Amino acid sequence: GAVVSQHPSRVICKSGTSVKIECRSLDFQATTMFWYRQFPKQSLMLMATSNEGSKATYEQGVEKDKFLINHASLTLSTLTVTSAHPEDSSFYICSARDRGSEAFFGQGTRLTVV
Amino acid sequence: LAKTTQPISMDSYEGQEVNITCSHNNIATNDYITWYQQFPSQGPRFIIQGYKTKVTNEVASLFIPADRKSSTLSLPRVSLSDTAVYYCLDIGGSGGYQKVTFGIGTKLQVIP
Repeated sequence: GAVVSQHPSRVICKSGTSVKIECRSLDFQATTMFWYRQFPKQSLMLMATSNEGSKATYEQGVEKDKFLINHASLTLSTLTVTSAHPEDSSFYICSARDRGSEAFFGQGTRLTVV
Repeated sequence: LAKTTQPISMDSYEGQEVNITCSHNNIATNDYITWYQQFPSQGPRFIIQGYKTKVTNEVASLFIPADRKSSTLSLPRVSLSDTAVYYCLDIGGSGGYQKVTFGIGTKLQVIP
């Protein structure tokens, strides 16, 4: 299957700083990318959907000024957690689709805010 | 809101066949039924996808009845390494723009 690479896999940051997470589709062009957050023992919660070259569509309750999403090319999307706080500590996962019916997922990023 | 429902958990002994059933009461005509596997601290991994009838690959089989209101993922002869959470999803096949949302998943525990 297609490969989606997410970086970094783990990051620890201080409260109040910003963290950027990258998501790359390595062998296909990702028309659409999705960002999810997953808390322990819970399912993936969709945060936002982004299409290449346009603004992301955020799910209800997700602050767009706090979680900045950029989908500048067909192979790269970034999620920046701005002014991170301990409650933002979570497992963040990206996913990418071309025009087909499968979604491919990155390996996830464990964010810990201290 | 998730479009599918499935059991929260299942236990199985090693070597047994495991069948996990999912309800797709709101499936759309263009949706494909897709199953993912997730291990702790990893992203979901694609297992199998189908539209109707039966699909089989090297790891699983997927049974979809004619009305497409349910699906059954069949894992033959599970091993301890199959302990994971399994998600069934309806993913739109008419384009990549439709969002992909997850339900609670089924936590499968394989017992030695």
